[in-house]
Amino acid sequence: QVQLQESGPGLVKPSQTLSLTCTVSGGSINSNSYYWNWIRQSAGKGLEWIGRLYSFGSTIYNPSLKSRVTVSVDMSKNQFSLVLRSVTAADTAVYYCARGTVAGGIFRYYFDSWGQGTLVTVSS
Amino acid sequence: QSLLTQPPSASGTPGQRVTISCSGSRSNIGSYTVTWYQQLPGTAPKLLIYSSDQRPSGVPDRFSAYKSGTSASLAISGLQSDDEADYYCATWDDSLSGLYVFGTGTKVTVL
Repeated sequence: QVQLQESGPGLVKPSQTLSLTCTVSGGSINSNSYYWNWIRQSAGKGLEWIGRLYSFGSTIYNPSLKSRVTVSVDMSKNQFSLVLRSVTAADTAVYYCARGTVAGGIFRYYFDSWGQGTLVTVSS
Repeated sequence: QSLLTQPPSASGTPGQRVTISCSGSRSNIGSYTVTWYQQLPGTAPKLLIYSSDQRPSGVPDRFSAYKSGTSASLAISGLQSDDEADYYCATWDDSLSGLYVFGTGTKVTVL
């Protein structure tokens, strides 16, 4: 059973860079059968998809965040990471990593495994 | 503003049936399958329904869903106290350069 675990600083100052890592255990991140996502949820608000990474670094991002986001992979550590630049208080949220499935070369639009989430607060 | 609209709340007594709607458009629900997630208080979302009407193993058959045109619905029959949670629909949207979209969420309360 695959497990995902987010890690990173819980507090980031405004205008600085938020960096989080998702460690995948119980399965290889180096697989054409899965893609890897970041999602966030502000307090009392809904869910917002940030972006995804697939197969050796192919990425696609939410257009509303695209100019500030980078998702990358470290195959040697079975991890993928999120970098969000120039943060403001509006970026305060619980950040989740999650796994999606690719079957028959087609992306399946559901996430079957999620990390527990990590709260990031943007404040001076 | 979310591209998928859900009612903010729904409620029922134990044993009742509750239905949650999810309204979208041709660029999302009209073109792709729908997923439903359940989020219990203080926890990560959990996959409840995928491919519009399929239940992962372990999800009780009290949960059912269907899609028609640009809308989808989730039904919970035989409502139980531990069904009290937030429920989100989701799918891909191919407007702009494409993005995964979640619904606005529905809080289900068991009275």
